[in-house]
Order: sequence, then C-alpha cells, then structure tokens
Amino acid sequence: DADVTQTPRNRITKTGKRIMLECSQTKGHDRMYWYRQDPGLGLRLIYYSFDVKDINKGEISDGYSVSRQAQAKFSLSLESAIPNQTALYFCATSDSTGIRGYTFGSGTRLTIV
Amino acid sequence: DQQVKQNSPSLSVQEGRISILNCDYTNSMFDYFLWYKKYPAEGPTFLISISSIKDKNEDGRFTVFLNKSAKHLSLHIVPSQPGDSAVYFCAARNSGAGSYQLTFGKGTKLSVIP
Repeated sequence: DADVTQTPRNRITKTGKRIMLECSQTKGHDRMYWYRQDPGLGLRLIYYSFDVKDINKGEISDGYSVSRQAQAKFSLSLESAIPNQTALYFCATSDSTGIRGYTFGSGTRLTIV
Repeated sequence: DQQVKQNSPSLSVQEGRISILNCDYTNSMFDYFLWYKKYPAEGPTFLISISSIKDKNEDGRFTVFLNKSAKHLSLHIVPSQPGDSAVYFCAARNSGAGSYQLTFGKGTKLSVIP
C-alpha cells in the first residue's frame, strides 16, 4: 500500500458542485499539506496542518476548505467548484523537521466543466 | 514574491551527456535544499538533498552543488538517461520560526533524447 493515498485519482464535475478530495497516510507524520499543480506555476500550497487541531491557510486558499479528521486523514473540499480550479491536486506529509522532505500522494486530476 | 526560482522551464539533453538544472533562492533562512522528481500522473518523489553547511552532495549519478554566497544550487545528472526525463522541482526548507516548511520552485522539465 502507498504511504500517502489520495482518492479519487480522477474526477470530472460540474461548475457549482461541491467536491471533496481525500487523503490518508500511513507514515505516522503529524504534518499534512494540500498542493495544486498547474502548468508553468509549479506546486502551490493550498492548506496545511501541523497536527489534528492545527489548520493553516497557504498561498491560494480562497475557494477551498479542509478538514483534519485524524492524524492520518486530511481532506480538501471545493464548496462550489469553478473551472479555474481544474488542476492536479497533491496531498503530502512530513515529519516535524522536514529534513526527510515531503512524501507525496499520486495526485487527483480534477476537471471542472 | 518567488523565494525559490527555477528560471528554465525546460531543458533538452542528449543521452549520455550531463544535465544541469539550476535553482536560485532569496531567503537566507533556508537551511536545507531538496530536489524532487516528478513523472506524469505520479506525485513528486524525493531525489537528493543538501544541508546549507555543505557545498556538495553526491548520490550515484546525481550531484547537488550549493553556492551559499550566490544563493544558488544546481543538480547535475551524469550520464543522463532517457528514464531521467521528468519535471524536477527544487525545494528549500525554511528554518525560520521553527516551521521547517518547504518552498518549491516552479519546476524544470528535463527531456533526455536517446
């Protein structure tokens, strides 16, 4: 099993719909992150959580919300999806030092039509 | 304000030759630098890292060089292989305020031509 599992892998949904992307990890890490990747823009941080009771906005949090249901689970929601949220979304985890870097999931390709 | 910059969006190299990917940073609180490799339809995977107290780290065909005075690091791949074709992200760890978060560059797409 993968260390960081994202579901779904692919999703097409309509404008205005609510959608949730889920992430679970078996690394035992406290820290979890949500990124989106767009061509030419690299990886941009949406939200991050340093433990179950800690949630922080990243550089592009507008239009998104998150929930840290447990140490191992961190979900990302689009309350009312819009086409410019079409992107590749990655969940990642890390320990508190970051020296070993982040472990990423395989990504969710989300298309808003 | 981009704190980690990869100014070359793409790079093409012949198989067997050296690939050099560059990265510049601006924040002096960065104390650890990492390179990630990403294939299509997969998440980024850790490749190699270097502490700010060192100027070189080598792992097989991959070597990372750090020039602190120039705030510049580079990843050398020798010899380049077709399987190295991927997007490479430079990342820097911020030791400021104990957050230890990573800041990523925009990536460089490497194409190794057989």
